[in-house]
Amino acid sequence: ETGVTQSPTHLIKTRGQQVTLRCSSQSGHNTVSWYQQALGQGPQFIFQYYREEENGRGNFPPRFSGLQFPNYSSELNVNALELDDSALYLCASSTGIGTEAFFGQGTRLTVV
Amino acid sequence: KQEVTQIPAALSVPEGENLVLNCSFTDSAIYNLQWFRQDPGKGLTSLLLIQSSQREQTSGRLNASLDKSSGRSTLYIAASQPGDSATYLCAANAGGTSYGKLTFGQGTILTVHP
Repeated sequence: ETGVTQSPTHLIKTRGQQVTLRCSSQSGHNTVSWYQQALGQGPQFIFQYYREEENGRGNFPPRFSGLQFPNYSSELNVNALELDDSALYLCASSTGIGTEAFFGQGTRLTVV
Repeated sequence: KQEVTQIPAALSVPEGENLVLNCSFTDSAIYNLQWFRQDPGKGLTSLLLIQSSQREQTSGRLNASLDKSSGRSTLYIAASQPGDSATYLCAANAGGTSYGKLTFGQGTILTVHP
């Protein structure tokens, strides 16, 4: 059984560009959540998807958007990148809303 | 709005010591609470999950307790080892409209020296 995998592991983008991050959920998991972790801080909730529907969103602007596919993998898209978007982006999957969350290794995004 | 605080922010101990990490949360109406470990630049590894109806959970040298009424959880690590060095994060899973959303503390950076 494979765990949660994220791609790419590292990414450098220029301010104003767009980026897509990907997450493959653990087998049997139908819920995916995305978090942003700035250096030295705890992760902050971006949004959650349950069976392809958005189920809750944190305090992030609309240029952060997401998608969940029929196989429950997910994408996080960020438009018009800003320097403050530089962070570790974490994806977590679970068997349902509110159940134990299992995280991937993260994608380190640097905006220059 | 749920807020989670972890004390201390950093802890350095000699190998073999037993230690306690503290986590407090402002909204006691949580569904569960989860403890994680994070190595530098890496993702989070789930250590223990405590349901709101439970008082404690144990896994090997780790024991986590939960007191909803006082808004506190503690992670006890017995006989610490250098390999335990990492950042430890607690996260509260609130109920109601925030159900499923984890609110994290800022973490405790643990260093265990030989």
